[in-house]
Amino acid sequence: GAVVSQHPSWVICKSGTSVKIECRSLDFQATTMFWYRQFPKQSLMLMATSNEGSKATYEQGVEKDKFLINHASLTLSTLTVTSAHPEDSSFYICSARPRDSGTEAFFGQGTRLTVV
Amino acid sequence: QKEVEQNSGPLSVPEGAIASLNCTYSDRGSQSFFWYRQYSGKSPELIMFIYSNGDKEDGRFTAQLNKASQYVSLLIRDSQPSDSATYLCAVRSAGNMLTFGGGTRLMVKP
Repeated sequence: GAVVSQHPSWVICKSGTSVKIECRSLDFQATTMFWYRQFPKQSLMLMATSNEGSKATYEQGVEKDKFLINHASLTLSTLTVTSAHPEDSSFYICSARPRDSGTEAFFGQGTRLTVV
Repeated sequence: QKEVEQNSGPLSVPEGAIASLNCTYSDRGSQSFFWYRQYSGKSPELIMFIYSNGDKEDGRFTAQLNKASQYVSLLIRDSQPSDSATYLCAVRSAGNMLTFGGGTRLMVKP
C-alpha cells in the first residue's frame, strides 16, 4: 500500500524557535498534501491544503505566516512552525493523496511537537 | 451545528460482539465517506471508504451509507480487544475537503 513518511515523529523545541516537519510520499506521487493538527482528545482539524507547485490554501483561523507550507515536489511537503509557542504544542499529521486517486489520502505517522 | 457528528462514547462491547459506530453529516453535497481508526498517540489509518448508498463489506468491517438520511455507519463483527481505538468518520465534500467527526472511542472488553 501507499506509504507516507513524516519526520520527525516527535520534537521538543524552545519557545521562539522554528520547527520544520517533513511529509514524504514514498511510493507514489502526491499532487495534494494536507496538514492537520490534533489537540488531545480532539479530532483532526485541517490546517491547510498544499498543492505541488502552488501556494497552500489555509483554513480559516490558521496563520499562514506562522505555519509555512512548501510543496516543492510531488513527493515532499514541509510544514514550518515559526516562532513556536507553548500553545502550538500539538500532534501534527500530514496526508498525501495519490495522483488520479479516487480514494482518500494516506496519513503520515504524525509529529508530536512540544514547545517549552 | 457540526458538519460531521459522532457520539464520542466510549462505546463498550464484549469481545465477539458486533460494534456499531454511527456518523451523521450536514452537507448533502458530500460525495465520499471514510472510516479511520486511530490508536492513542498514533496517526489515523484508513479502514474503509464508501461512495454509494448501501453496504460495503471488507472482512469484519461493513460500512453502510444512507445519503437520504445523511447517515453513515461502521459495523465491526466479532470485535476483538485490538479493535479498541477511536474511530473517525470523515466526509469529503464537493469542494474536496475532508471533514472529520470528533471520533467515537470503542472499548472491546475481553
